[in-house]
Amino acid sequence: AQSVTQLGSHVSVSEGALVLLRCNYSSSVPPYLFWYVQYPNQGLQLLLKYTTGATLVKGINGFEAEFKKSETSFHLTKPSAHMSDAAEYFCAVSDQNTGGFKTIFGAGTRLFVKA
Amino acid sequence: DAGITQSPRHKVTETGTPVTLRCHQTENHRYMYWYRQDPGHGLRLIHYSYGVKDTDKGEVSDGYSVSRSKTEDFLLTLESATSSQTSVYFCAITQGEWYGYTFGSGTRLTVV
Repeated sequence: AQSVTQLGSHVSVSEGALVLLRCNYSSSVPPYLFWYVQYPNQGLQLLLKYTTGATLVKGINGFEAEFKKSETSFHLTKPSAHMSDAAEYFCAVSDQNTGGFKTIFGAGTRLFVKA
Repeated sequence: DAGITQSPRHKVTETGTPVTLRCHQTENHRYMYWYRQDPGHGLRLIHYSYGVKDTDKGEVSDGYSVSRSKTEDFLLTLESATSSQTSVYFCAITQGEWYGYTFGSGTRLTVV
């Protein structure tokens, strides 16, 4: 079965600094990988995804992530943090089953942005 | 989010009572999911559906049942609510594995 590990339940950065949120996955087959963002009292929103092709994927709000198969990683980055980036971020991997599929989520990383 | 709604948004219920949460979509997506979100656990899958009357269990299905009699509705029932089922419940839909999910706004359930 697939699993996802997010390193660090909380990350704090200064406004304008690099954002790096770490995600490692376990998968026996080439995975579909996702990052979601959740703002307070809202549902999750898809930030970006890797399916096939280019290993560096760009998402909304200036975020990007790089799929590294050799490291089983899919870390999320943004060159310059903005106050509006403060939220919780979830890494996720798709897991196939007979008849359907499901997505396995990491425990989440809460990003704090300091002025 | 547009195309998916959850009801109710908030509910307080007593231990031992049955509770039904509803997820309604207007996107005609085949796949629907129920997750619960608890601090420190991220999202955990309760049940999912890959078509009308086709459902399967997730990792935390004990105490929950689901039904999907038509494409647009996916119901989650807590057969006899317990305090451990106090949580925020999210429904999600998708066209297929590589699309990613669209989430509802969630239902905050408190069992007292």
